[in-house]
Amino acid sequence: QKEVEQDPGPLSVPEGAIVSLNCTYSNSAFQYFMWYRQYSRKGPELLMYTYSSGNKEDGRFTAQVDKSSKYISLFIRDSQPSDSATYLCAMNTGGFKTIFGAGTRLFVKA
Amino acid sequence: DTEVTQTPKHLVMGMTNKKSLKCEQHMGHRAMYWYKQKAKKPPELMFVYSYEKLSINESVPSRFSPECPNSSLLNLHLHALQPEDSALYLCASSQDRGRLPYGYTFGSGTRLTVV
Repeated sequence: QKEVEQDPGPLSVPEGAIVSLNCTYSNSAFQYFMWYRQYSRKGPELLMYTYSSGNKEDGRFTAQVDKSSKYISLFIRDSQPSDSATYLCAMNTGGFKTIFGAGTRLFVKA
Repeated sequence: DTEVTQTPKHLVMGMTNKKSLKCEQHMGHRAMYWYKQKAKKPPELMFVYSYEKLSINESVPSRFSPECPNSSLLNLHLHALQPEDSALYLCASSQDRGRLPYGYTFGSGTRLTVV
């Protein structure tokens, strides 16, 4: 079993839709949860982070962590074509090593 | 300056060549990382430097040799690579151990092709 599981998609939605991206994990020691966005042929860009359980909102983006279920989510409201990218969840116990999910490819159609 | 700069952006090398990848940051970050990313796969950690000392080597073959000359620079020396080493090589930096609220700042990567 992989430490972090993420559906690779692709996920295709119309412009303006609400997008839900998810990851599950097996290591209960993870404390820091991040979402990165990666455009084609670019490095990942930190989008959202959450410490332990709870929600965090930043503009159109909301990150949720449910440690009891070992499940994290990223919601994108009013999705735009510019949101088309690969979204990687990432987790860390507090040390140097961050574990990334496989990434979900998102396409937002105009 | 909030960027991690990687050079070159593209590199094609033969299996007998020696080449180097370069990474530079001026954010005062004291941890720097090399990741390898194959197409449609997540980034995989290769090396971590903390305060210019090698902290983690994820059992990377010796044909990859990292170097951290100072707190702003990170190099990856390549020698006798195999075609399966073709990938996007990403450099990242973080202020501490990649802990919140900073996460990693990634460069755009070097796309390496071994022929």
